[in-house]
Amino acid sequence: KQEVTQIPAALSVPEGENLVLNCSFTDSAIYNLQWFRQDPGKGLTSLLLIQSSQREQTSGRLNASLDKSSGRSTLYIAASQPGDSATYLCAVGSGNTPLVFGKGTRLSVIA
Amino acid sequence: SQTIHQWPATLVQPVGSPLSLECTVEGTSNPNLYWYRQAAGRGLQLLFYSVGIGQISSEVPQNLSASRPQDRQFILSSKKLLLSDSGFYLCASRPHGGLMEKLFFGSGTQLSVL
Repeated sequence: KQEVTQIPAALSVPEGENLVLNCSFTDSAIYNLQWFRQDPGKGLTSLLLIQSSQREQTSGRLNASLDKSSGRSTLYIAASQPGDSATYLCAVGSGNTPLVFGKGTRLSVIA
Repeated sequence: SQTIHQWPATLVQPVGSPLSLECTVEGTSNPNLYWYRQAAGRGLQLLFYSVGIGQISSEVPQNLSASRPQDRQFILSSKKLLLSDSGFYLCASRPHGGLMEKLFFGSGTQLSVL
């Protein structure tokens, strides 16, 4: 059974700092991995989707990497801003089964 | 891209009362549809998913049920709510057979059972 872990559970950084969020999964036979952002009381917004054949995806200040063999993904946020404060979740897709989610990392960027 | 409509945004219900949450999807046909619940400190829990009209798979045994009466409509129901049913309910959609596609979420319903 696939399990997804995100460490740390919470992170606080000063504005302008570059940061890395981590996601690990137990079964490397995945189709893709997706990073989401969730603001308090809101739904999830998709940030990046990495297919299993890809090593990374970039969108603006965000860069997500995938190392399938080691069961790890990272989300790199450059030059963090207070507006980046949110909970970030990763989810892995395997076969035709629904995505399996981690519990998320709650990020606070302090001005 | 897809748009997912969920309502209501917030709901306060007494224990033992019925529940009906509705989700509709625009911008795609024959999507895979999902109901998730998010409780404080517990992450996202998949409750039900559907690959087509009338086809429902249940992930967790509980007093909730789901139905898909139309292609782009997904309903979460309960005959009698429990305190433990409180949580943030999210509907999600992905293109049918689209294993390589993104999963899109609605804005959620915050349910408080008192």
